[in-house]
Amino acid sequence: GENVEQHPSTLSVQEGDSAVIKCTYSDSASNYFPWYKQELGKRPQLIIDIRSNVGEKKDQRIAVTLNKTAKHFSLHITETQPEDSAVYFCAASRGYGGSQGNLIFGKGTKLSVKP
Amino acid sequence: DTAVSQTPKYLVTQMGNDKSIKCEQNLGHDTMYWYKQDSKKFLKIMFSYNNKELIINETVPNRFSPKSPDKAHLNLHINSLELGDSAVYFCASSQDWGDHQPQHFGDGTRLSIL
Repeated sequence: GENVEQHPSTLSVQEGDSAVIKCTYSDSASNYFPWYKQELGKRPQLIIDIRSNVGEKKDQRIAVTLNKTAKHFSLHITETQPEDSAVYFCAASRGYGGSQGNLIFGKGTKLSVKP
Repeated sequence: DTAVSQTPKYLVTQMGNDKSIKCEQNLGHDTMYWYKQDSKKFLKIMFSYNNKELIINETVPNRFSPKSPDKAHLNLHINSLELGDSAVYFCASSQDWGDHQPQHFGDGTRLSIL
């Protein structure tokens, strides 16, 4: 079945630095890649997503890049702030067999931003 | 108004009991999901429903029985609870079934089995 690998599992940065989280996926038919932020004890919230016909998307301090040939995508957070501290999940859509709406999630990256 | 709401927020019960979790969305979405998040924070899809119909059962034990009385509601009933069922269960919804559909999550139900 499809697999999504996410690295690193933990990431600690100083306030103001950049943070990068990387994911790889196995299903070449996947064409939708969302990123979710989950604060402690709260629900996952969509922060940005990218579709396969786009190589890069940016929303203020957050950007996502996609390399379909290599089957990997990355989340970039610039000028990090303490409130960016959370667990971040990448996900990829399933491409076949009627499961297109299902998302396969990576195992998460715990980001800590130190003041 | 909360877009995707789940009840209860916390559920503590004994092994072997039967329990239900309710989910409602007021977004007018056609598709709803149940996810399980274990103690290591791994998020795994359990069920997908589109317009009240089961689309996907991700090899979940048949002790778990989802029910969708209408497309705004997707409830989860669990029979004969086991220790391994302890987790946070999230309900989610999306506009419809297919690629490129952002999923909106509820606040979760923390299930603890004693």
